[in-house]
Amino acid sequence: AAGVIQSPRHLIKEKRETATLKCYPIPRHDTVYWYQQGPGQDPQFLISFYEKMQSDKGSIPDRFSAQQFSDYHSELNMSSLELGDSALYFCASSSPSRGRTEAFFGQGTRLTVV
Amino acid sequence: AQKVTQAQTEISVVEKEDVTLDCVYETRDTTYYLFWYKQPPSGELVFLIRRNSFDEQNEISGRYSWNFQKSTSSFNFTITASQVVDSAVYFCALRKGSGGSYIPTFGRGTSLIVHP
Repeated sequence: AAGVIQSPRHLIKEKRETATLKCYPIPRHDTVYWYQQGPGQDPQFLISFYEKMQSDKGSIPDRFSAQQFSDYHSELNMSSLELGDSALYFCASSSPSRGRTEAFFGQGTRLTVV
Repeated sequence: AQKVTQAQTEISVVEKEDVTLDCVYETRDTTYYLFWYKQPPSGELVFLIRRNSFDEQNEISGRYSWNFQKSTSSFNFTITASQVVDSAVYFCALRKGSGGSYIPTFGRGTSLIVHP
């Protein structure tokens, strides 16, 4: 079965650079969530989108922005990268047919800022 | 506010031992969902189980079992006859049951190390 696809899997950037992370949800899933997991930390919710509109906002820095496109894929844009942005970034998607009670996570993008 | 507490930061066992991972939660919602996820060293989050607040029936899936006790706000996870492949970080998560999108609150995770 198709899963949530995230790209790239690994990314190395320098401080003050920008990065774009992509997420392709499971087909027919209309909701996408972004999480950030620092080393040894639990996943922290950043932002979510439902039907291409932002639905909830968590602890997302102002330097980050995200959007969901017409094909439901989502991109997380990160500017002025800092060393502390080094983390595993997860995308998850959920389906209205399951009442969105369950989110399926991608394999994550590991961002390293040097 | 929602909160999930996994008091055990790290557990170390020898293969074939049984191990229980504790999860205690706090919520004001009457309807909610509880989850367990496994994060192996490769990093992905693997969904293990979902339980809604109205279903206190315990569940067993192979070597895994879950004990949901609403009276003590706990949702503990037991692995029977542990194996080296069970070594991972296990997260317990909580999400409100109605309205809005799925935004689970995660516990800090319990790192399970199974030695051969």
